[in-house]
Amino acid sequence: DGGITQSPKYLFRKEGQNVTLSCEQNLNHDAMYWYRQDPGQGLRLIYYSQIVNDFQKGDIAEGYSVSREKKESFPLTVTSAQKNPTAFYLCASSRLLGQATGELFFGEGSRLTVL
Amino acid sequence: GEDVEQSLFLSVREGDSSVINCTYTDSSSTYLYWYKQEPGAGLQLLTYIFSNMDMKQDQRLTVLLNKKDKHLSLRIADTQTGDSAIYFCAETEDQTGANNLFFGTGTRLTVIP
Repeated sequence: DGGITQSPKYLFRKEGQNVTLSCEQNLNHDAMYWYRQDPGQGLRLIYYSQIVNDFQKGDIAEGYSVSREKKESFPLTVTSAQKNPTAFYLCASSRLLGQATGELFFGEGSRLTVL
Repeated sequence: GEDVEQSLFLSVREGDSSVINCTYTDSSSTYLYWYKQEPGAGLQLLTYIFSNMDMKQDQRLTVLLNKKDKHLSLRIADTQTGDSAIYFCAETEDQTGANNLFFGTGTRLTVIP
């Protein structure tokens, strides 16, 4: 079945450690996105990419890094520079607007807790 | 920047209609979306509407768009307990390329049996 797979679903990290969240899609979508969700704040865009080897900062990119070496994969690294990393992280993908309605397909999310 | 606002909570009785409201500030919106999120899961698209439309109906769902007032609503007819979830409205002004959505805070719908 086509879809987006995020792993791990739950992750615990000690302060000062970097962690990488995985996101893989087999929908053949060009665009991929990372959002952060906090209670009562909705979703905020961290990074997005619309083509391999290219990505753009979203609204809250500080303390995060990404790579897009393959069309199917868009991993997110939460670095020790991110001051408040405990959150629910959502990865999404879409076809490009202009080719389609731009509907985002979401993974099931990864919950990161910093101890 | 763009601002999308929703009330945080809504409770309805099973069988009644639910109306979830959303206001936005971006006058250049091209598409507006409603997403549903069940506990501990990702978001699923429920429906979308083009900015040049006033209404869209899809089975139990009715979307109304008032562009003048920048107001979007989602009506769920005959609400069921399985409709309990968080509902997000989102808008974009993009027309090509990646779709950078601006999401509201989400409305938690509780359906009382």
